[in-house]
Amino acid sequence: ETGVTQSPTHLIKTRGQQVTLRCSSQSGHNTVSWYQQALGQGPQFIFQYYREEENGRGNFPPRFSGLQFPNYSSELNVNALELDDSALYLCASSTRSGSPLHFGNGTRLTVT
Amino acid sequence: GQNIDQPTEMTATEGAIVQINCTYQTSGFNGLFWYQQHAGEAPTFLSYNVLDGLEEKGRFSSFLSRSKGYSYLLLKELQMKDSASYLCAVRDGSGGYNKLIFGAGTRLAVHP
Repeated sequence: ETGVTQSPTHLIKTRGQQVTLRCSSQSGHNTVSWYQQALGQGPQFIFQYYREEENGRGNFPPRFSGLQFPNYSSELNVNALELDDSALYLCASSTRSGSPLHFGNGTRLTVT
Repeated sequence: GQNIDQPTEMTATEGAIVQINCTYQTSGFNGLFWYQQHAGEAPTFLSYNVLDGLEEKGRFSSFLSRSKGYSYLLLKELQMKDSASYLCAVRDGSGGYNKLIFGAGTRLAVHP
């Protein structure tokens, strides 16, 4: 059974640019959630996708958007990057019933 | 509102026992999770409580009291590798979907 995998591992972008982060779900999991973890803080919920539709969103602006594909993999897109977007971005997959979340290794985004 | 509190830092001695407390106020409570996070890495799942009482898992145990909005993580026979941040997270099922709300984490330093 493969776990959650994320790519890339690290990324450096300039303020104003756009970025796409990718996540492959654990086998059998149809729900994907994305979290942002700033340095020294706990992860913050961005949004969740179930069957290719967003079904829950945290307190993040519309420039944070996502996609889920038929194979349940997912993308997180961030437009008009700001310095405060620098963080570890975590993806987690689960079943609809809400089994414990297991996170991927994360993508560390640095915005300069 | 939603709020999760845990101590910022703790220190302990190798071989000892340490208890990390967590208090929470949230709507739609649907379980409490503990995660371990080493510096620069993603959180890894440790334990899960949905009913009151103690869950034991090797050297780690977690306790929940829903009426008091309180949980603790107990680590026994501490090892140097247990030096990490420990994240308390409540699963919130309000809004028709599950999301995790994390505390800021407790940094545990284990000394020889």
